[in-house]
Amino acid sequence: KQEVTQIPAALSVPEGENLVLNCSFTDSAIYNLQWFRQDPGKGLTSLLLIQSSQREQTSGRLNASLDKSSGRSTLYIAASQPGDSATYLCAVDHNDMRFGAGTRLTVKP
Amino acid sequence: NAGVMQNPRHLVRRRGQEARLRCSPMKGHSHVYWYRQLPEEGLKFMVYLQKENIIDESGMPKERFSAEFPKEGPSILRIQQVVRGDSAAYFCASSPTSGGAGDTQYFGPGTRLTVL
Repeated sequence: KQEVTQIPAALSVPEGENLVLNCSFTDSAIYNLQWFRQDPGKGLTSLLLIQSSQREQTSGRLNASLDKSSGRSTLYIAASQPGDSATYLCAVDHNDMRFGAGTRLTVKP
Repeated sequence: NAGVMQNPRHLVRRRGQEARLRCSPMKGHSHVYWYRQLPEEGLKFMVYLQKENIIDESGMPKERFSAEFPKEGPSILRIQQVVRGDSAAYFCASSPTSGGAGDTQYFGPGTRLTVL
């Protein structure tokens, strides 16, 4: 059974810092991995989708990497801003979509 | 406490037919979200409902799609006159309140719709 773990559970950084969120999964047989952002009272927003054949995806200040063989993905956020404060979730898809518990990020002005 | 349940897990429809997807939230949860994942694309928000109310339907296609969450029973996502482009995985999630700080959305296993 696929298990997805995210570390750390919570992270607080000053504005402007670069930061890394980690996601690990136990079964490397995945179709893709996604990173999401969850804001209070809103649906999830998909940030980046990495297909199983890809190693990374970039969008603006975000960069996500995927190492399928070791069951790891990282989300790198450059030059963090207070508006980046949210919960970040990763999810792997292989017949079922499995989510991690999320990392709650707070970026202080 | 059973998790979010969706049924059917797989649904095959011919063009022009109707598809009904059901989502039973976790016990005690009164907020339901529906998402769609098209092949090769990321998950996209469709609609957010509370019991008997649609709160945010900004992600719903304007035609053929509707959603409800009645006082009793599961939430239903209904797609009328399906077309091949509706083929996707449809996920629902539930949360106990409005998904504010400390509330997590719990996802169901999804319904994979195939339109022939």
